[in-house]
Amino acid sequence: DADVTQTPRNRITKTGKRIMLECSQTKGHDRMYWYRQDPGLGLRLIYYSFDVKDINKGEISDGYSVSRQAQAKFSLSLESAIPNQTALYFCATSDPDSYEQYFGPGTRLTVT
Amino acid sequence: QKEVEQDPGPLSVPEGAIVSLNCTYSNSAFQYFMWYRQYSRKGPELLMYTYSSGNKEDGRFTAQVDKSSKYISLFIRDSQPSDSATYLCAMSEYNAGGTSYGKLTFGQGTILTVHP
Repeated sequence: DADVTQTPRNRITKTGKRIMLECSQTKGHDRMYWYRQDPGLGLRLIYYSFDVKDINKGEISDGYSVSRQAQAKFSLSLESAIPNQTALYFCATSDPDSYEQYFGPGTRLTVT
Repeated sequence: QKEVEQDPGPLSVPEGAIVSLNCTYSNSAFQYFMWYRQYSRKGPELLMYTYSSGNKEDGRFTAQVDKSSKYISLFIRDSQPSDSATYLCAMSEYNAGGTSYGKLTFGQGTILTVHP
């Protein structure tokens, strides 16, 4: 089974709708991250959490919110989706003493 | 100006070619340098990691860091069709307060296609 899972894998939604993307990890890591990937822009950090009680904004947090429900679960919400939030979203996890981040398979989100 | 700039490509090379992928950065606090490989419809996976200037070799892959020029490279020798992927450079500061690593800043990614 995959160490980092994301649901849903694909989602099409309409402008103004609220949507939640979920991430779970079985690696036992404290740190979790949400990124979005756009063609020509690479991966950009949305939010990160270094433990259950620690939530931090990343480079592009406007329009997004997160919830860290447990060590293993980190959710990303779009309160009112807009078309320029159409992107590929990745969740990742890492151990505090390691440079390596482990990524999920991604969620392809389309906002029409 | 972005903190990390990566040659966008795309690159298309014949099998067996030597591939050079490059990134420049502006933040002198970056101490750790990584290359991630991302296959189509997959998440990125760590390919190479280094923290000092110089070269690091792993099989057909060589990572090169020049901190004085703020420039990193990834070389792929004898490229194979299975190397076709997006390659992302990533960098991290060192958290001075402890042993933990900082968050990653990624380049834009270079799409590489190796054709038989």
